Amino acid sequence: DAKTTQPTSMDCAEGRAANLPCNHSTISGNEYVYWYRQIHSQGPQYIIHGLKNNETNEMASLIITEDRKSSTLILPHATLRDTAVYYCIVRVDIQGAQKLVFGQGTRLTINP
Amino acid sequence: KAGVTQTPRYLIKTRGQQVTLSCSPISGHRSVSWYQQTPGQGLQFLFEYFSETQRNKGNFPGRFSGRQFSNSRSEMNVSTLELGDSALYLCASSLAGTPLSSTFGSGTRLTVV
Repeated sequence: DAKTTQPTSMDCAEGRAANLPCNHSTISGNEYVYWYRQIHSQGPQYIIHGLKNNETNEMASLIITEDRKSSTLILPHATLRDTAVYYCIVRVDIQGAQKLVFGQGTRLTINP
Repeated sequence: KAGVTQTPRYLIKTRGQQVTLSCSPISGHRSVSWYQQTPGQGLQFLFEYFSETQRNKGNFPGRFSGRQFSNSRSEMNVSTLELGDSALYLCASSLAGTPLSSTFGSGTRLTVV
């Protein structure tokens, strides 16, 4: 699995957009970029994933660079409940590839 | 629909004892994975079961074992507990055994004293 690099921590003001970067320079052509988050004392929660194109859902947007070596998770209007550790994971999406390798993630703090 | 259910939520055991943790996956999900989370090592994959068979295994000693029943419910067992086994143990279930469809439970917090 490709290695990912994320900043250790970030702060963002409530109501502003939170942009969380992730570097994955060794990503392979068939590997997806997944984002999960973990709110204190809960299990990780799936946010979004993508392969090449930018993606958007009700939670966030995912911007993947053209060379796929980095990506950015965007929370458009951050709320206090978005305070969590955010994990960027690169993985193939095939049956039998259930194992997820979590790095240290980015601790995002939303400030009032 | 009901999420992934882990029991018990909290557990305190003494060093040397053994412990069994339970995970009930989302209805219809056949893949169950287990993870250990500690402050020092972060989230680490333990093993995955699919249709009652262990399909993937992480780098943990043989004291850590698991099984899956015909109804997809899974248990993990840790024997001869050590202080370092204190952790949050998380279970994730998946419909097709792919990362995309993984849903995590809230975990069992095990404290070994």
